[in-house]
Amino acid sequence: DVKVTQSSRYLVKRTGEKVFLECVQDMDHENMFWYRQDPGLGLRLIYFSYDVKMKEKGDIPEGYSVSREKKERFSLILESASTNQTSMYLCASSFPYSGGAYEQYFGPGTRLTVT
Amino acid sequence: KQEVTQIPAALSVPEGENLVLNCSFTDSAIYNLQWFRQDPGKGLTSLLLIQSSQREQTSGRLNASLDKSSGRSTLYIAASQPGDSATYLCAVRGSGTYKYIFGTGTRLKVLA
Repeated sequence: DVKVTQSSRYLVKRTGEKVFLECVQDMDHENMFWYRQDPGLGLRLIYFSYDVKMKEKGDIPEGYSVSREKKERFSLILESASTNQTSMYLCASSFPYSGGAYEQYFGPGTRLTVT
Repeated sequence: KQEVTQIPAALSVPEGENLVLNCSFTDSAIYNLQWFRQDPGKGLTSLLLIQSSQREQTSGRLNASLDKSSGRSTLYIAASQPGDSATYLCAVRGSGTYKYIFGTGTRLKVLA
């Protein structure tokens, strides 16, 4: 079974703190993604990575950065946390299976509260 | 710009009913479409993936169809059970991109 894990289920941080969210997948997937999910707004893509050290901005990258030093690990960094970054953060990875389709697999999510 | 819409936003049905969830997208140049289930406070679980060249996929009581020309996909759930209660999301991956665009979901409640 594909497994995507996230470092924390719940996190509470103070405004201005630097926050690290980590995601690890165990199936040698090439592509990894960070989303945030907010009521009424759905899932929005923050950043994605299609290979080690390769990254591209998603739809809402402002205030975030990412790091992918190893294929299995994709980190999301909030340089200076703000209250409007309180959200559910979801990591996903995907790989090609027969026919070339890329199926996404998600981690359990991290509920981040910034006070 | 691709937009994905799911209607209705919420649905409540008695146990045993067959039901259909809808997903519409504005740009038919898609690579694939994926249906997910999300339980409260949890991550997303993949249910079915349909490639652009396919018309439908089936898994157990679930059947997903795709009509690219009309920009629509439906998720059919047969003989619904209380355990099917969850939010169902569809996501579209556009051609030539790694990005997926998600709908805002349909919150399903199956009453015992």
